[in-house]
Amino acid sequence: DGGITQSPKYLFRKEGQNVTLSCEQNLNHDAMYWYRQDPGQGLRLIYYSQIVNDFQKGDIAEGYSVSREKKESFPLTVTSAQKNPTAFYLCASFDSHNTEAFFGQGTRLTVV
Amino acid sequence: DAKTTQPPSMDCAEGRAANLPCNHSTISGNEYVYWYRQIHSQGPQYIIHGLKNNETNEMASLIITEDRKSSTLILPHATLRDTAVYYCIVRVWQRTGNQFYFGTGTSLTVIP
Repeated sequence: DGGITQSPKYLFRKEGQNVTLSCEQNLNHDAMYWYRQDPGQGLRLIYYSQIVNDFQKGDIAEGYSVSREKKESFPLTVTSAQKNPTAFYLCASFDSHNTEAFFGQGTRLTVV
Repeated sequence: DAKTTQPPSMDCAEGRAANLPCNHSTISGNEYVYWYRQIHSQGPQYIIHGLKNNETNEMASLIITEDRKSSTLILPHATLRDTAVYYCIVRVWQRTGNQFYFGTGTSLTVIP
């Protein structure tokens, strides 16, 4: 089945450590996105990538980094510079031919 | 500036139609309106989208006003499983790619 997979579902890290969240899609979509969701709030865009080896900052990119070496993969690194990293992180992919964006099931990151 | 505004919460009786409003007064001519819903701690699920014309699918109907400044998502016969947060989203095309701007969502509770 085609889809978008995020792993792990839950992640715990100590303060000051970098952590990388995985996002893989087998939908052959060109565009991929990372969003952050805090309790009771909507989704805010962290980074997005329209094509391989290219990505753009979203509204809240500070403290995060990404790479897009393969079409299928768009990992997000939460660095120690991110002041409040504890949140629910969602990855999405999109193909303008289909017009529907697909979301992963999310990774809940807790930093202690 | 928020591209969409939605009421924070609504109730609907089971079996009745649920009408969820959204304002997007600054929308441009080539920007699409999307609706997704999210059940707690899961990835958002696509419902429907439109540009100018009203749209209907097996899940819902989307009514867009003639001036495109607002829209209404209609769930014709709400069930308990429709209890979720519903997001009205504007998809914007920029030179760097498509971006999806989420509102803060409407928490719909379907009451038995």
